[in-house]
Amino acid sequence: QSALTQPASVSGSPGQSITISCTGTSNDIGAYNYVSWYQQHPGKAPKFMIHDVSNRPAGVSNRFSGSKSGNTASLTISGLQAEDEADYYCTSYTNSDTWVFGGGTKLTVL
Amino acid sequence: EVQLVESGGGLVQPGGSLRLSCSASGFSFGNYVMHWVRQAPGKGLEYMLAITPDGDRTPGADSMKGRFAISRDNSKNTLYLQMNNLRTDDTALYFCVRGCGGGCHGWDFWGQGTLVTVSS
Repeated sequence: QSALTQPASVSGSPGQSITISCTGTSNDIGAYNYVSWYQQHPGKAPKFMIHDVSNRPAGVSNRFSGSKSGNTASLTISGLQAEDEADYYCTSYTNSDTWVFGGGTKLTVL
Repeated sequence: EVQLVESGGGLVQPGGSLRLSCSASGFSFGNYVMHWVRQAPGKGLEYMLAITPDGDRTPGADSMKGRFAISRDNSKNTLYLQMNNLRTDDTALYFCVRGCGGGCHGWDFWGQGTLVTVSS
């Protein structure tokens, strides 16, 4: 299974909105609404941010939102804050009955 | 409080074997699908394997087949990863992860990871 494609880096200023894309195929993102997103700060375990494309777990800020169109999923962070600076990973279930991650995106808050 | 604590990592020579454990607490371990995910130093996350509450193993990533095996002991609230014929590119932090379940598709709790270093 090939990894999902994410931009290596994105950046934005405090208060702005940014969007991270995650592109797969008709065998993964395009086939299932089982996309989830994770935030990882350096030296920490990943944190669960979005599941099933657009659902936020309890305790996750509503500044984080997810969507999907065709074979591409997106994570949008609005009202950027310094603490949002981290790596972000998408993942999707696949028709091989397994999961695949994106390569990760480093978000820099300017 | 949900806790996942991995152990068993360390330094191993190429070709060697290692068994990782993940001790779970704070939830009904036997009701959840459990997974292993790894992260090589400075690299991204890589999905490995999963096991259902009843012990059925999902196919897992292609690159994991043959050398890695997942198992669980619900009576001990423990998840295992048996790793054989280890290679230098298996050097990574290995995370034990809980599937969120109940119609939710994702991983809601992660351990802190156990580091495996494969080197001569």
